[in-house]
Amino acid sequence: AQSVTQLGSHVSVSEGALVLLRCNYSSSVPPYLFWYVQYPNQGLQLLLKYTTGATLVKGINGFEAEFKKSETSFHLTKPSAHMSDAAEYFCAVSEQNQAGTALIFGKGTTLSVSS
Amino acid sequence: NAGVTQTPKFRILKIGQSMTLQCTQDMNHNYMYWYRQDPGMGLKLIYYSVGAGITDKGEVPNGYNVSRSTTEDFPLRLELAAPSQTSVYFCASRELSAGAFFGQGTRLTVV
Repeated sequence: AQSVTQLGSHVSVSEGALVLLRCNYSSSVPPYLFWYVQYPNQGLQLLLKYTTGATLVKGINGFEAEFKKSETSFHLTKPSAHMSDAAEYFCAVSEQNQAGTALIFGKGTTLSVSS
Repeated sequence: NAGVTQTPKFRILKIGQSMTLQCTQDMNHNYMYWYRQDPGMGLKLIYYSVGAGITDKGEVPNGYNVSRSTTEDFPLRLELAAPSQTSVYFCASRELSAGAFFGQGTRLTVV
């Protein structure tokens, strides 16, 4: 069964510092992978996705993630944090070409950005 | 383009009452999902559907039911509300290779 583990429920960085949010997945076949962001009292918004092709994926708001099959990882990074990046981030996985495919989320990582 | 619309946004139920959370999408997506979100627990999948007439259980289906009579609509039914069902509920839709679009959520309190 597919699953997602997000390492670290809280990450704190200073404004301008590197953001690194970790995600490892478990899947029997190469999966589709996603990162979402949730601001307080709102729904989830897609940041970026990996389906096939290039393993380095660029998303909105300057975020990017790299699919590493050998490490079963899909870590999210941003070179320079902004105050507006403070939010909760979720990694999600679904399996390709499976009838009845579910979309499974990790428990989330709360990012705090200090000035 | 409205995307995914959930109603109501807020609701307070008494123990034992029933209600239906409505979800409609206008993107002609085949896949639709219901999640519940509890603090520190991420999103738990309740039920999902791969198309009209087809539904399947997720991780936490007990106490809930769904139907999918049309591509657009995917209502979630709570038959006998319990305090453990106090949560924020999100509906989402997607195509297989695309990211999911989420509604704004329904905040449900059972007292």
